Amino acid sequence: RKEVEQDPGPFNVPEGATVAFNCTYSNSASQSFFWYRQDCRKEPKLLMSVYSSGNEDGRFTAQLNRASQYISLLIRDSKLSDSATYLCVVNRGGQNFNKFYFGSGTKLNVKP
Amino acid sequence: DGGITQSPKYLFRKEGQNVTLSCEQNLNHDAMYWYRQDPGQGLRLIYYSQIVNDFQKGDIAEGYSVSREKKESFPLTVTSAQKNPTAFYLCASSTDPFPGSQETQYFGPGTRLLVL
Repeated sequence: RKEVEQDPGPFNVPEGATVAFNCTYSNSASQSFFWYRQDCRKEPKLLMSVYSSGNEDGRFTAQLNRASQYISLLIRDSKLSDSATYLCVVNRGGQNFNKFYFGSGTKLNVKP
Repeated sequence: DGGITQSPKYLFRKEGQNVTLSCEQNLNHDAMYWYRQDPGQGLRLIYYSQIVNDFQKGDIAEGYSVSREKKESFPLTVTSAQKNPTAFYLCASSTDPFPGSQETQYFGPGTRLLVL
């Protein structure tokens, strides 16, 4: 079983739509959680960290459900520029090292 | 500007050849990492280093080697033993390599390696 699983998509949505992605992780000892954005043929860039109480950054809302071991990302009022692949990242935190596990990403296409 | 640089952007390898990918950071980060990304897949950890002169194998280290002689530099060599090297290689760094921190990773722009 993969450490982090995501629906690969693609999610095709019109501008202005609200879209949500989920991600599940397998290790209950995972300690910190992140969403990254990756544009085509570019490096991943941090979008936001995910905190237990949930957090919001403008049009983006992230939530964590430790009991069910899933993380979500909600994007409101989608823009064309939101088109990208969104990676869910989990830090398990080993005995003496931060180890990050990456989902394979969910592709979002925002259309005019 | 602070950041992570990788070179070259594209690299071509002939059969049986070793090639070295460069990664440099001026963020004063202790930890550095090398990942490989194949189409439609997540990033997989090749090697990591928590501190100068120390590095550890990741999940897919076979056919790769690294060194960490300076804090700023973490070059990756793809050896001839790596039979399927075509991929997108990403270098990353972070300030705190230890468990429990909320510190995340910052990535360089990547190197695409192709086999001729």
